[in-house]
Amino acid sequence: KAGVTQTPRYLIKTRGQQVTLSCSPISGHRSVSWYQQTPGQGLQFLFEYFSETQRNKGNFPGRFSGRQFSNSRSEMNVSTLELGDSALYLCASSPGQGEYGYTFGSGTRLTVV
Amino acid sequence: AQSVTQLGSHVSVSEGALVLLRCNYSSSVPPYLFWYVQYPNQGLQLLLKYTSAATLVKGINGFEAEFKKSETSFHLTKPSAHMSDAAEYFCAVVTKNTGNQFYFGTGTSLTVIP
Repeated sequence: KAGVTQTPRYLIKTRGQQVTLSCSPISGHRSVSWYQQTPGQGLQFLFEYFSETQRNKGNFPGRFSGRQFSNSRSEMNVSTLELGDSALYLCASSPGQGEYGYTFGSGTRLTVV
Repeated sequence: AQSVTQLGSHVSVSEGALVLLRCNYSSSVPPYLFWYVQYPNQGLQLLLKYTSAATLVKGINGFEAEFKKSETSFHLTKPSAHMSDAAEYFCAVVTKNTGNQFYFGTGTSLTVIP
């Protein structure tokens, strides 16, 4: 069974640009969540999608957005990039309920210069 | 609200010694608790989880954790550390109130000394 796949693995962008990250969940998993990981703030919840609907959202500015497609694949977008957006972005999938736990992808390392 | 506290951001043990990583949680409703491990430049890998069945939970790579409601703790242990255990460990809590939003601790970096 394939795991959670995130593309690209590494990305370098310039301040002010926008970026789109992609996540393919485990087959059959309908919930996809995104987390930002930085040395200073640790793991911070961005949002969760379930059956194409955003079910939960963390405390991030509107520059951060996401969506989920009918095949459960998800994308997140960050517009008007800032230096502070440099982080490891992790996608995780779950069958649907929290008690099952997440399966994480390897992440996308975004560097904003 | 839910939260997790991991005492000790850095823990060092000798190879073959006991590993003990501490996690305390705060939750007003029954929690589901998890331990994840992260190796450099990798995502998080699930070690074990507590979902209200047995309070002593066994996970992968010889790790186990015990849920103690009275102490609101879920400490991770391994009887004998191996060099390959060196990594970052995260404790996380989720409840039915939070849907699928996990609350992670700040992590504990484990160093294994040969």
